[in-house]
Amino acid sequence: GAVVSQHPSRVICKSGTSVKIECRSLDFQATTMFWYRQFPKQSLMLMATSNEGSKATYEQGVEKDKFLINHASLTLSTLTVTSAHPEDSSFYICSARDWASGEGGQETQYFGPGTRLLVL
Amino acid sequence: AQTVTQSQPEMSVQEAETVTLSCTYDTSESDYYLFWYKQPPSRQMILVIRQEAYKQQNATENRFSVNFQKAAKSFSLKISDSQLGDAAMYFCAYRSSMYSGGGADGLTFGKGTHLIIQP
Repeated sequence: GAVVSQHPSRVICKSGTSVKIECRSLDFQATTMFWYRQFPKQSLMLMATSNEGSKATYEQGVEKDKFLINHASLTLSTLTVTSAHPEDSSFYICSARDWASGEGGQETQYFGPGTRLLVL
Repeated sequence: AQTVTQSQPEMSVQEAETVTLSCTYDTSESDYYLFWYKQPPSRQMILVIRQEAYKQQNATENRFSVNFQKAAKSFSLKISDSQLGDAAMYFCAYRSSMYSGGGADGLTFGKGTHLIIQP
C-alpha cells in the first residue's frame, strides 16, 4: 500500500516557540491531506483538511492562527504549531488521500506514523 | 454532524477464539463509508476493513469481517481465530461520500476498543 511519512517522529520544545511537522506522501500524489490530534488513551480528532494550492479547512474549535497548515505541493503538507504551550502537547497524525486507490473512484486514506509533541 | 459510538472500552479474548467489537453511528446521510482501523502500541493507524453503505454485502478481509446493519446504523467487526498480533486499539470510523453532499472528507472516529488477546 501507499506510504505516508511524518517528520519529526517526536519533538520537545519550550513554551512559546513554534514547531513544524511535515507530512509526506512517498509514492503517490495527494491533493488532500488531513491532520488529526490524539490525546493519550483517546480517539483521533480531525483538526483540519489540507488542500493543495488552497487554504486549509479547519474544524470547529481549532484555532487556525495557532495551527498553521500549508500544502505547498502534491506530496507535502506541513502543520506549524505556533507559540506552543503545554496544553498543545499531544500526538499529531496526518493522513493522505490517494484517489487512485480502490475501485469505482473510491479512495483510501493512508496514515502517517504520527508525531509526538511535548511542550515544556 | 455524524457521531460514532463504541460502547466497549476494552475486550478480552482467548487466542484462536472469535471476538466481536461493536460500533454504532448516527447520520442523516444515505451514502457513506465505514472503516475499522487498528492502532497497535506503535500508534501507526492500520486499515483493517472498509464498507460502502450502498453495498448490502458485508465486507470481509481474511479473518476480519463486518456485520453491517444499515437500518440499525450498526457496524460490528468480527475477528476470527484471534492471534496475539491482533492485540491493539480498534477504532470505528465514518466518512461521508463525495456524493452525499455532506462535504466532510475527514474521518469521524469512535473512542476505540482496547482488544486484549489472552495466550
